[in-house]
Amino acid sequence: QTVVTQEPSFSVSPGGTVTLTCGLSSGSVSTTYYPSWYQQTPGQAPRTLIYSTSTRSSGVPDRFSGSILGNKAALTITGARADDESDYYCVLYMGGGSWVFGGGTKLTVL
Amino acid sequence: EVNLVESGGALVQPGGSLRLSCAASGFTFSDHSMNWVRQAPGKGLEWVSYIGNSGSITHYTDSVKGRFTFSRDNAKNSVYLQMNSLRAEDTAVYYCARGGTYDFRAFDIWGQGTMVTVSS
Repeated sequence: QTVVTQEPSFSVSPGGTVTLTCGLSSGSVSTTYYPSWYQQTPGQAPRTLIYSTSTRSSGVPDRFSGSILGNKAALTITGARADDESDYYCVLYMGGGSWVFGGGTKLTVL
Repeated sequence: EVNLVESGGALVQPGGSLRLSCAASGFTFSDHSMNWVRQAPGKGLEWVSYIGNSGSITHYTDSVKGRFTFSRDNAKNSVYLQMNSLRAEDTAVYYCARGGTYDFRAFDIWGQGTMVTVSS
């Protein structure tokens, strides 16, 4: 069974830069998994940040960027703000009309 | 304004059935695939099901295969998730999510979710 891995939690200082990653329990993440990233605050629906590895969704500030770093997909937030404090989820397309989400990363800004 | 509105969530007993609906507005519905994604209380997101833009293709996560049926009515700009033989582990907020305009593999618009509770 495919497991998509994310850091359970991460902390960043206001104004700082943080990189969250999205990996596979077995194998490497590449652009062929079309990784996308979502931000979710408690009680709210997810918000789309990044799709197809590095394309920002409409209205998403360029402080958010996506890439492949080594064998993982990555979401980098620069100039972190208090309202970036959220849960962040990646999802990988496994082919054949199937997706697997990572467990999510709880980002704290302090 | 592009919008998705889910409805139909409720408290249901184990083994029971429920039908969720998701009404779309503000875009050409028949151009987009659609998905259901769920989130159990205090847990992460889980992709549940996909339907192609015409409705002829559907896919399901293994845990719901044979129990859930995803359908759509493009004339009514709506999708539906028929859930049978419900189990406690199906308890979750269910979100409908639009397949991306530029990449169907992304979920670019989300509804606000509807809560399904399976309990006796």
